[in-house]
Amino acid sequence: QKEVEQNSGPLSVPEGAIASLNCTYSDRVSQSFFWYRQYSGKSPELIMSIYSNGDKEDGRFTAQLNKASQYVSLLIRDSQPSDSATYLCAVLSGGTSYGKLTFGQGTILTVHP
Amino acid sequence: DGGITQSPKYLFRKEGQNVTLSCEQNLNHDAMYWYRQDPGQGLRLIYYSQIVNDFQKGDIAEGYSVSREKKESFPLTVTSAQKNPTAFYLCASSIGLRPQETQYFGPGTRLLVL
Repeated sequence: QKEVEQNSGPLSVPEGAIASLNCTYSDRVSQSFFWYRQYSGKSPELIMSIYSNGDKEDGRFTAQLNKASQYVSLLIRDSQPSDSATYLCAVLSGGTSYGKLTFGQGTILTVHP
Repeated sequence: DGGITQSPKYLFRKEGQNVTLSCEQNLNHDAMYWYRQDPGQGLRLIYYSQIVNDFQKGDIAEGYSVSREKKESFPLTVTSAQKNPTAFYLCASSIGLRPQETQYFGPGTRLLVL
């Protein structure tokens, strides 16, 4: 079982729709969770971080964390063509591997006009 | 402007050659990291360093070496022992290694084998 798993997609949504990106992780002691956006040929840029169970909203983005189910998601409301990118879920362990950020393989999102 | 710089943007390696990728940050961050990304894959940790003169192996350290002589600099050497070096290499930094500290990435170096 991979430590961090994402559906690789591609996920295609129409402009204005809600895009839902999902991620599961295997390390129960994980404490911090991050969503990065990566445009083709570019480096990842941080979109959201979440540390506690529940929802965290920032503009059109909402991150959801459920530690009991070991599940983290990212919702993008009113999707725009500029949101088309690969979205990487990353999990930081709070155990002996302090500082080790483990990434999923990424979900490709395409927003079509 | 504060940030992370990586050079060169593209690097070509010949068989049997060692090459060094540069990473510099002026964010005053203590921790620095090197990741490798293969097409369609997530990032995998090569090495990380939490303070000057100290570094730890990540998941795929074989065939790579690093140094941390200055806080701002964390160069990565891809040695001839790395048999499949073609990849996108990303350097990152964070304030420290505590769980809630975000890692920020440089623009990356794409390494190709001739």
